[in-house]
Amino acid sequence: DIQMTQSPSSLSASVGDRVTITCRASQSISTYLNWYQQKSGKAPKLLIFAVSSLQSGVPSRFSGSGSGTDFTLTISSLQPEDFATYFCQQSYTTPRTFGQGTKVEI
Amino acid sequence: QVQLQESGPGLVKPSETLSLTCTVSGGPISGYYWSWIRQPPGKGLEWIGYIYVSGRTDYHPSLKSRVTIAADTSKNQFSLKLSSVTAADTAVYYCARDLGGGDYWGQGTLVTVSS
Repeated sequence: DIQMTQSPSSLSASVGDRVTITCRASQSISTYLNWYQQKSGKAPKLLIFAVSSLQSGVPSRFSGSGSGTDFTLTISSLQPEDFATYFCQQSYTTPRTFGQGTKVEI
Repeated sequence: QVQLQESGPGLVKPSETLSLTCTVSGGPISGYYWSWIRQPPGKGLEWIGYIYVSGRTDYHPSLKSRVTIAADTSKNQFSLKLSSVTAADTAVYYCARDLGGGDYWGQGTLVTVSS
């Protein structure tokens, strides 16, 4: 299985801050990397697919970059509704695997 | 707008079989991959497997011996069966469409394994 490792596991930030979350794959996954946002008690929501493509309806303050094994999710200016847990996922092969999550707290 | 809804028992006894159904509305299940994913309370996400409605399935190696995913195009549904469950299978179970990324998800259903 491809292991996905996120860092940090949690972070504290303020409204307006620029936030960066990293995700590392245990082997190259080309550009088959997705990011999800999950709020408490809700299903994950796809934010970004294929490293940097914004899912329809997702605000442009979210962006993604990277290739191969190292990837980044950036929130350019944190908003109150962005406090949540973020997961990366590889879709290069099966089994699909997820990072352990990064909790963004106030 | 595609919508997914999981249904099934919320409580399953140890050693029995967990059975869930995902009903898809707003679009056909044919032509897509459909996944089951679970999340133990307070933990991360685990992909269980998926089905392509032509009949192709793929399962997580750690669950492969206990999992069956099937589809019923006449009802626009797909299902999950997980046999010989233990407390470790207690989780919120989600169904989702897999286009590489999971663009549509159900709300999730909590299944507790307990006697």
